[in-house]
Amino acid sequence: SSELTQDPAVSVALGQTVRLTCQGDSLRSYFPSWFQQKSGQAPVLLVFGNNERPSGIPDRFSVSNAGSTSSLTITGARAEDEADYYCSSRDTTGKIVFFGGGTKLTV
Amino acid sequence: QVQVQQWGAGLVKPSETLSLSCAVSGGLVNGYCWTWIRQSPGKGLEWIGEIAPGRGTNYNPSLKSRITISLDTSKNQVSLSLTSVTAADTGVFYCARSRYSFDSTAHYWGQGSLVVVSS
Repeated sequence: SSELTQDPAVSVALGQTVRLTCQGDSLRSYFPSWFQQKSGQAPVLLVFGNNERPSGIPDRFSVSNAGSTSSLTITGARAEDEADYYCSSRDTTGKIVFFGGGTKLTV
Repeated sequence: QVQVQQWGAGLVKPSETLSLSCAVSGGLVNGYCWTWIRQSPGKGLEWIGEIAPGRGTNYNPSLKSRITISLDTSKNQVSLSLTSVTAADTGVFYCARSRYSFDSTAHYWGQGSLVVVSS
């Protein structure tokens, strides 16, 4: 399968915890990557592999993967976390990469 | 710090070829996976394709007939060519590099190149 499904929009109160989900059959075979894109900016890699974060990404961002669902948790949401969040994974052949439709997070 | 720089024509006429290139400051393009992604105005991210050491190229099936991604070690740059463009190809194009040679995660992103297809 080649589809990743994300909720179009989610809101969270300042300081609260929010979970963004990404669903797709390919997630049973491949760890997803999660990207944050703020308005007018290039996307930034947030989490990849088995919950690995690039240097400079705070541990407020974490991912859990179970079956066909990946969940990005933002703990203690800040105003600066307001952005679009995309998950990405390979399809079941491993040759094609897909992005989810993205979730617009409002803080 | 790895910085990806990209460049190319910002205005392309319909039916012509879009050409973009990218490189990494202070480093080599060879030995890493390079990915091209585009974003149509107001839309989400769309994977275009990738070129990776030992794995060659993989392309989005919906664009495959029009795409070429190549690596020029003599110029130390990676290029994207998209032929027969239409207005639907208008958008911001990003290139991204992996952190290691053995992975393909889009770790370092360029600043993006806005390409408008218009006569």
